[in-house]
Parts: sequence; structure tokens; C-alpha cells
Amino acid sequence: EDKVVQSPLSLVVHEGDTVTLNCSYEVTNFRSLLWYKQEKKAPTFLFMLTSSGIEKKSGRLSSILDKKELSSILNITATQTGDSAIYLCAAYNFGNEKLTFGTGTRLTIIP
Amino acid sequence: DGGITQSPKYLFRKEGQNVTLSCEQNLNHDAMYWYRQDPGQGLRLIYYSQIVNDFQKGDIAEGYSVSREKKESFPLTVTSAQKNPTAFYLCASRTGQGNANQPQHFGDGTRLSIL
Repeated sequence: EDKVVQSPLSLVVHEGDTVTLNCSYEVTNFRSLLWYKQEKKAPTFLFMLTSSGIEKKSGRLSSILDKKELSSILNITATQTGDSAIYLCAAYNFGNEKLTFGTGTRLTIIP
Repeated sequence: DGGITQSPKYLFRKEGQNVTLSCEQNLNHDAMYWYRQDPGQGLRLIYYSQIVNDFQKGDIAEGYSVSREKKESFPLTVTSAQKNPTAFYLCASRTGQGNANQPQHFGDGTRLSIL
């Protein structure tokens, strides 16, 4: 059975801090790892990672995949209150075309 | 604007009642998915469909049913057999069967509660 584990489950930091969220996976026929941000409703897509060691960046957010360690990290620098959300990690199984999600990390930014 | 529309936003179910959640997309996506999200848990896959007139069970299909008669529509019925239906239901879609390089995109969800 495919499995995705995220840590920490919850994180509270002050505005301006840098945070690192972790994701590890055990997925057969692994093809890609995805990060989503969920505020109140729909998860919104952040990154898709398929190649190991190549960093994807969007503004203050960046992510990298380590296929050897079966893991990924999401970094957020100079955090803002608008970054408060649940961050979901998901791994794609190409064999059955299913996405398996972790439980998410709830990030709270204190002004 | 292209997107995924879920309705209703809130739904209440009485004991013994079947209810249907709507999901419509105008993105011309081939694949559509239904997930359930409970507090403190990630998204769990209920059913998915890669093409019209075909669908597969996900990890928690018991007590649910779906149909895929049109490419743009993938309704989910929560039957009376689902004993714990209270949850947030999310519909997603993705382009291209077998295309692993495209992400799933989500609707705004339906929150279902028991009366």
C-alpha cells in the first residue's frame, strides 16, 4: 500500500522566520511528488517534482526531491501571515494513476 | 473562466437518505477524482475516472457510488450505507490519461453533515 508521511503535523512560527516542511513516501511505480497549499477550501497546486536534486522555486517558496532518500522538502523563507495554511504533499503512482496524500502540515504564522 | 465547480457548498443528510454531490469541469480534462477529507487527516480517494463511462474504486469506496456519463461531469452519491458521511468532499480533475506530468486541480469542496 502506498504511503506518504509529513512532518511536523503542526508548526507555529513568527512572521519573517524560515520554515522547512518534510515529506517522505513509499510508493510503487513512483513518478512524481506534488505540493499543495490548502487555506479554507480547495487545495491549490504549488509544485510538481519528478527529477531528483533539481530545486523548483516560486518566489519565497522552493522545493526539492531526493529520490534516494524517498523524500522531499518545502522551504518557505521570510514567512508572511498569508502563508498560514495546511500544506499537503502527495505522491503519484504511475501504475494505477493514483495520488496518495499525506496528512498535511498545519503552518501558522504569528504577526 | 475554466474551472471545477462543486455544488452545493453545504449539504445535510438525514438518516437513511442518499445524497448526490455535483462536480462539473469545463477544462476538457479526461480524468476526474473524488476525495474525502476528515479533520487532521489527508485526502483519501473514494472513486476516480480516467475516461467517460469508466471508473475505478479508490481506497474508501464503500457506501459511495459514481457515474461518468459525460466528460465534464462526475457526480458522487453518498448512500445510506455510508455510516459516517460527515466530511469535506473534494472533486479534482487532470488532463490526459496516463499523463503523469500534469497536476490535479481541485474544486472548492462540499461540506456534508448529518442532521
